[in-house]
Amino acid sequence: EVQLVQSGAEVKKPGESLKISCKGSGYSFTSYWIAWVRQVPGKGLECVGIIYPGDSETRYSPSFEGQVTISVDKSISTAYLEWSDLKASDSGLYYCARDLYGGNTPSAYWGQGTLVAVSS
Amino acid sequence: EIVMTQSPATLSMSPGERATLSCRASQSVGSNLAWYQQKPGQAPRLLIYAASTRASGTPVRFSGSGSGTEFTLTISSLQSEDFAVYYCQHYENWLTFGQGTKVESK
Repeated sequence: EVQLVQSGAEVKKPGESLKISCKGSGYSFTSYWIAWVRQVPGKGLECVGIIYPGDSETRYSPSFEGQVTISVDKSISTAYLEWSDLKASDSGLYYCARDLYGGNTPSAYWGQGTLVAVSS
Repeated sequence: EIVMTQSPATLSMSPGERATLSCRASQSVGSNLAWYQQKPGQAPRLLIYAASTRASGTPVRFSGSGSGTEFTLTISSLQSEDFAVYYCQHYENWLTFGQGTKVESK
């Protein structure tokens, strides 16, 4: 069974750093793209960026480029989303999701979400 | 950047009725269009991909149609468990979602 298990909720202050995780199991982790998707109430779903664990090719949405870093550790089948300087506007529910069958395909498997709250 | 626009924002329906949700892309996405269902407190669930292919486990009452810039999700006979928010998403060259249509009980 394909599973994506994300790290727990975080409460941080502006300016702090944060790294959240997404551990894949039940499939070949290096063979499928992983997307990070943010959900903010009233603003729907927004793709932050995607990574291919096989070669770590990474692409970012222009809205998030330079603001976050996506990475993977293949040895433990885990993808990461990282901030070095959090802002209140980074608050939201972040999902990781695996594509359906590789390449240009939609997100078929989703993690449970990680709530990030940034407030002074 | 391709913009996805869904209509209506809210659909008030009764169980057993037929629901029709629309999604428009600002430029052609071919058939690279998916539909998701999201219930409160849950992650989105993939229902339809390639505009009209039901994902594994999707009931047959859900059907998708369209290509290019105009797409439709139809629920032939609403069940109580179908009241939720539905999002369309293109995966033509990126992953962009529509703003969602909430299907609520009348």
